[in-house]
Amino acid sequence: QVQLKETGPGLVQPTQTLSITCTVSGFSLTSYYMQWVRQTPGKGLEWMGFIRSGGSTEYNSEFKSRLSISRDTSKNQVFLKMNSLKTEDTGVYYCARAVRYYGYNPYWYFDFWGPGTMVTVSS
Amino acid sequence: EIVLTQSPTTMAASPGEKVTLNCLASSSVSYMNWYQQKSGASPKLWIYGTSNLASGVPNRFSGSGSGTSYSLTISSMEAEDVATYYCLQLSSYPWTFGGGTKLELK
Repeated sequence: QVQLKETGPGLVQPTQTLSITCTVSGFSLTSYYMQWVRQTPGKGLEWMGFIRSGGSTEYNSEFKSRLSISRDTSKNQVFLKMNSLKTEDTGVYYCARAVRYYGYNPYWYFDFWGPGTMVTVSS
Repeated sequence: EIVLTQSPTTMAASPGEKVTLNCLASSSVSYMNWYQQKSGASPKLWIYGTSNLASGVPNRFSGSGSGTSYSLTISSMEAEDVATYYCLQLSSYPWTFGGGTKLELK
């Protein structure tokens, strides 16, 4: 069955770099787009970016200058790295799988999400 | 960026009551997705492609809309429907979420 799980550091100091790993099972990263979404007290749910099935990336301009998404298909892992952290970056970080429906009126949706990992930015 | 405005922000409904949650987009989108989130859990796919129910979603739920106006309707409120519901547009980058509607039981 499809499973996703995020693992992160829990606590990060301001100005430092956040690294989170999403480990997936039950499907191949080369067949799906994988997203990073975060939920913060200040801004709610925010789409951060994705890595396509082919390996290229797309970022929300809100994070573009400090966000990097990559993957290791051999380990079934997707990575998020974000630098210059601020206290406002405190929140829950999720990875999610996106599915494309190729019918007459095509559309995308996120079908599976991980449980999320809580990140606190504090000194 | 397409801004999604959900209304109401919070509402309480009695068991059996019909409930309508709204999502207004600042520009036209091709379709809308909806997610249910219960306290302490990750969002769960609820309605996709405007009107398709996700697996396991009760048929008292329905979705509709077009252009800039979309809605999620519960024909008869039940206690298990207490949650926050979010709309999500994937028509235009950056993909954006609404602020959510918190649905409570009266």
